[in-house]
Amino acid sequence: KNEVEQSPQNLTAQEGEFITINCSYSVGISALHWLQQHPGGGIVSLFMLSSGKKKHGRLIATINIQEKHSSLHITASHPRDSAVYICAVRLSGSARQLTFGSGTQLTVLP
Amino acid sequence: DGGITQSPKYLFRKEGQNVTLSCEQNLNHDAMYWYRQDPGQGLRLIYYSQIVNDFQKGDIAEGYSVSREKKESFPLTVTSAQKNPTAFYLCASILIGGTEAFFGQGTRLTVV
Repeated sequence: KNEVEQSPQNLTAQEGEFITINCSYSVGISALHWLQQHPGGGIVSLFMLSSGKKKHGRLIATINIQEKHSSLHITASHPRDSAVYICAVRLSGSARQLTFGSGTQLTVLP
Repeated sequence: DGGITQSPKYLFRKEGQNVTLSCEQNLNHDAMYWYRQDPGQGLRLIYYSQIVNDFQKGDIAEGYSVSREKKESFPLTVTSAQKNPTAFYLCASILIGGTEAFFGQGTRLTVV
């Protein structure tokens, strides 16, 4: 079983829809990151969370440490939001430090 | 501004040639990491280093080599022994004992 599970694996939405991507983890962590990867492009770091909630523009990220779960929300989705969204956790007490989810491919249709 | 820089963004090489991917950080981070991503798959750990002049193999180290001669730099060499080198490569760095992680933009390597 993977230490970090993302869902859904693929998501298609219409422009304007509210989108939620989920990340669950089974290990102790000190922080969780949400990353964005555009087709053929590089990685952009969106959020780092240790607790609570963060907002940047139309993006909102939340984390529930007790439930070991984080969500990334996109409000008023737009085709330019189409990308792979990756959850990464900073492990507690591990030399390897980072573990990644397998990513969620989001496609927003006009 | 502090950050982590990978170069180049896109790289093309002929089969059988060694190629070195650059990763530099000016964050004074102790630990640096290299990951590989194949289409439709998650990121897998190749090598990591927690201190200068020391590094450890990750899950898929075969066909790769690294060095850590300076704290700021952690170059990855994809050798001719790597059977399927075409992939996306990501470098990351962290401050041990902290919570943040910084990620490079990534290098997309294509071997023809």
